[in-house]
Amino acid sequence: GENVEQHPSTLSVQEGDSAVIKCTYSDSASNYFPWYKQELGKRPQLIIDIRSNVGEKKDQRIAVTLNKTAKHFSLHITETQPEDSAVYFCAASMEGNAGKSTFGDGTTLTVKP
Amino acid sequence: EAEVAQSPRYKITEKSQAVAFWCDPISGHATLYWYRQILGQGPELLVQFQDESVVDDSQLPKDRFSAERLKGVDSTLKIQPAELGDSAMYLCASSSSGTNFYEQYFGPGTRLTVT
Repeated sequence: GENVEQHPSTLSVQEGDSAVIKCTYSDSASNYFPWYKQELGKRPQLIIDIRSNVGEKKDQRIAVTLNKTAKHFSLHITETQPEDSAVYFCAASMEGNAGKSTFGDGTTLTVKP
Repeated sequence: EAEVAQSPRYKITEKSQAVAFWCDPISGHATLYWYRQILGQGPELLVQFQDESVVDDSQLPKDRFSAERLKGVDSTLKIQPAELGDSAMYLCASSSSGTNFYEQYFGPGTRLTVT
């Protein structure tokens, strides 16, 4: 089955700095890569996603890049704010699995004011 | 904005007891997922339904866990008997069967503590 590894497990940055979280996946058939933000005690919420036919996607301060050859994808947050502090999860889905996702173990991001 | 509903939000039970969790997906969402999230880890899929049919339960410990979605709408996940290692957050998610079927919407979860 699919295996997703996520790094780092914790990340601390100063407000205004950039944060980068990286994930690798094992199955080249995976074609959909969402990122979720989970605040303490709350539900995971989709913040951005990318499909395998696209190399990069951006939404305001958040961007995701995908390297299919190397089987890795990254989340980039620019101009970080304290409210960005949360646990971020990457996931990988395989075509035909109707959305079934394999998740990474999460990155705890702390943005210090 | 429509959301996935789950109940109860918190459950404390003794080991060997039975527990049940309920999930009501977003109206019209054909696909429903139950995940288990152990503290410090990502969600792990337990079972996936397409309408009322199970399409993946390969990670469901079937000796003690069961799940149903009888009318293809809401769903119940049951554990009997509960074990100490079952303490976790149980998340339900749903997605539509249209072009955005990959996008999953999560419920608030049920925090289970087994003592």
